[in-house]
Amino acid sequence: GESVGLHLPTLSVQEGDNSIINCAYSNSASDYFIWYKQESGKGPQFIIDIRSNMDKRQGQRVTVLLNKTVKHLSLQIAATQPGDSAVYFCAETGQGAQKLVFGQGTRLTINP
Amino acid sequence: DSGVTQTPKHLITATGQRVTLRCSPRSGDLSVYWYQQSLDQGLQFLIQYYNGEERAKGNILERFSAQQFPDLHSELNLSSLELGDSALYFCASSVAARQGYGEQFFGPGTRLTVL
Repeated sequence: GESVGLHLPTLSVQEGDNSIINCAYSNSASDYFIWYKQESGKGPQFIIDIRSNMDKRQGQRVTVLLNKTVKHLSLQIAATQPGDSAVYFCAETGQGAQKLVFGQGTRLTINP
Repeated sequence: DSGVTQTPKHLITATGQRVTLRCSPRSGDLSVYWYQQSLDQGLQFLIQYYNGEERAKGNILERFSAQQFPDLHSELNLSSLELGDSALYFCASSVAARQGYGEQFFGPGTRLTVL
């Protein structure tokens, strides 16, 4: 079956540095990908999404890159701030799929 | 604040018992989704309702059931509870019928502890 996974379960970065969180997916039929942020004690919050007809999409301080050739997704956070500390999940779905499949999550911690 | 509300915030019960979790979607959203988040399984999709009808089913156990009422609020019923059912249960809502279209907004979750 399909699966979505993350290369790194934890990531620690210095405040002000850029963060890169990676995600691998195995279902080549997936055509829609989302990054969610989950802060402690809260539900997941949508950050940014990308469809398979794009390879890059930018938001406010965040960029998502999609490499369909190697089935890899990444989330780049520019100038990481303490408020970025959270667990980040990638999720995928596709044509005919009935559900979002979430990755295991990466915990991002910010060092002052 | 996502606009999605869930009650109760915390629930502690015993094995074998039955509980009901409640979710109110954002105003205007017709889809409600239920997810289970546990330490060893991550975030797992359970079931989706759209405008009162079951739309999609995920990894939902037969002991669990859900429904969406005419006012669009939803309830997740968990019965014959086992220790392994202890988890965070999230509800999400969206405008779209299909999960690939439209952002899902998550509620704050209900933490269920089965003793």
